[in-house]
Amino acid sequence: DTGVSQNPRHKITKRGQNVTFRCDPISEHNRLYWYRQTLGQGPEFLTYFQNEAQLEKSRLLSDRFSAERPKGSFSTLEIQRTEQGDSAMYLCASSGSGKGYTFGSGTRLTVV
Amino acid sequence: GIQVEQSPPDLILQEGANSTLRCNFSDSVNNLQWFHQNPWGQLINLFYIPSGTKQNGRLSATTVATERYSLLYISSSQTTDSGVYFCAVRSGSGNTGKLIFGQGTTLQVKP
Repeated sequence: DTGVSQNPRHKITKRGQNVTFRCDPISEHNRLYWYRQTLGQGPEFLTYFQNEAQLEKSRLLSDRFSAERPKGSFSTLEIQRTEQGDSAMYLCASSGSGKGYTFGSGTRLTVV
Repeated sequence: GIQVEQSPPDLILQEGANSTLRCNFSDSVNNLQWFHQNPWGQLINLFYIPSGTKQNGRLSATTVATERYSLLYISSSQTTDSGVYFCAVRSGSGNTGKLIFGQGTTLQVKP
């Protein structure tokens, strides 16, 4: 068990560019979650998957955001046409049945 | 949706002191976790505690689900305890999978 892995750790991009983040959950966990955290705030839920099915999406997840979890293993979060307001820490977590969440170290996005 | 309130928002302690952090929630829950966020942003799971009491070294937590609150106790605080402590809950109503976070308690332990 190597924990939840996220890549990259940091991403600086120009406004209008697309970015993609990757999350590798704990292998035996069937649930995977994406959160966003801005400075001074608690993490906010974006979306979650059970196996490969995306079961819930927040209203925060605008049309520019898309998440996938092919084959129920790793997941990707893509942001198209980035805006300065997208600058945040993007956190991934996974969980198994009846267990708590385990979070990754996050990807810090800066849009300039 | 379920509301989560943490208190106090900020706390400054002298090393060696004890403290209690509180989390109130507005509905029944089937998951409650306490996390410590370190300066690098990593959320470290402290306790998975939808009910009852647990202890881990200098930390302990109690959740009284019927009264909708949880407490995190830190004894003999150390400078490495500094950081933000979050309480997060999953509503027991409906069929949601998401954890809802409080705004956190920022703890500073001075040497």
